[in-house]
Amino acid sequence: GQSLEQPSEVTAVEGAIVQINCTYQTSGFYGLSWYQQHDGGAPTFLSYNALDGLEETGRFSSFLSRSDSYGYLLLQELQMKDSASYFCARALDRDNYGQNFVFGPGTRLSVLP
Amino acid sequence: DTEVTQTPKHLVMGMTNKKSLKCEQHMGHRAMYWYKQKAKKPPELMFVYSYEKLSINESVPSRFSPECPNSSLLNLHLHALQPEDSALYLCASSQKQGALSNEQFFGPGTRLTVL
Repeated sequence: GQSLEQPSEVTAVEGAIVQINCTYQTSGFYGLSWYQQHDGGAPTFLSYNALDGLEETGRFSSFLSRSDSYGYLLLQELQMKDSASYFCARALDRDNYGQNFVFGPGTRLSVLP
Repeated sequence: DTEVTQTPKHLVMGMTNKKSLKCEQHMGHRAMYWYKQKAKKPPELMFVYSYEKLSINESVPSRFSPECPNSSLLNLHLHALQPEDSALYLCASSQKQGALSNEQFFGPGTRLTVL
């Protein structure tokens, strides 16, 4: 199984903290990435976890628990510009170059004033 | 230069037309990708090129034909497409830098409409 699951929508207010969860099936797992995509825009890379634990990059953090087949993206101090779709994505192989990726269904985050 | 460029931005074509999408990057990346994205859906991987060789073809119909003429360029040749092929076609590139780097850089995409 290669599928990932995410909530379809999340709503929060400016300044709040929001967590977007992602669960995956364990076979052939080589890491979990997070991408942001604004309407009409290209996906942009946010974070990658290959090992258990928390990765922090400014207001965004990503967490992975391989034993639970679970990860999340944490967005702090939400801003209106964070309204976008957020995708978790898993790598399916460990080629040195060329990453076979499958994206989760995406979570639409709406930030309200 | 950390940019992936794609041309054209928009393309409308009939089912009997032949057209090509182009993608270019000058980051020295040796892996390049084509994705298809329908509205409100995630990107779906179509092809992966690694060192200018096709390494992954995700069972894409033969009416889509990729080409990687050199390490900076990636083309997608289109022929006899169907209306259901209308979508945003995204190009991406990446270069693994150690075990913990997995970033793909995406271009802005080509919005394709097949009439």
